[in-house]
Amino acid sequence: AQSVTQLDSQVPVFEEAPVELRCNYSSSVSVYLFWYVQYPNQGLQLLLKYLSGSTLVKGINGFEAEFNKSQTSFHLRKPSVHISDTAEYFCAVSDKGTSGSRLTFGEGTQLTVNP
Amino acid sequence: DAGITQSPRHKVTETGTPVTLRCHQTENHRYMYWYRQDPGHGLRLIHYSYGVKDTDKGEVSDGYSVSRSKTEDFLLTLESATSSQTSVYFCAISELGRGDGYTFGSGTRLTVV
Repeated sequence: AQSVTQLDSQVPVFEEAPVELRCNYSSSVSVYLFWYVQYPNQGLQLLLKYLSGSTLVKGINGFEAEFNKSQTSFHLRKPSVHISDTAEYFCAVSDKGTSGSRLTFGEGTQLTVNP
Repeated sequence: DAGITQSPRHKVTETGTPVTLRCHQTENHRYMYWYRQDPGHGLRLIHYSYGVKDTDKGEVSDGYSVSRSKTEDFLLTLESATSSQTSVYFCAISELGRGDGYTFGSGTRLTVV
């Protein structure tokens, strides 16, 4: 079984500042990793995913994440945030080897970008 | 998302009544999932389906049942609604079930009074 811990429940930042949202996971097998974003009153959208290969993954809206196997982390970063990035962000993990394996989500991090 | 719709979008119901939520997809994806979202808990899996008539339980399945008689429809039933089932319910679909991520519906906000 896997688990995901998002280390910050709320992250307030000023516009144009850099941001990092932290995610750690636990699993006994190899995993796929994901970041989703949820804007108010909407469903979740896939930001980016790590399947294999390069540990630095680039996603939509200028976000990127780095997979660190030794630290079992998958932190999300953006060098300069906009007001429109205000949303809740979810880290998720699934087993790599099992067809139909399910995503396990973290508790979410509310990113608030202030002017 | 255009390929997945949930109905109703909002519902208020009384304690003890049965409630059915519908998820409909036009993508012909094999895998379908029901999650509930609650503050401080993220998303938790209720039930999922890996084909017509093939379903299994998730981590919070007590008090819920599901059915999938057609590829495109996945129904979630609260057999006797309780206040603890007040939540936002999301349906998701996946073509491969792993690695490709999920596509989520817009959610159903259910209030049990």
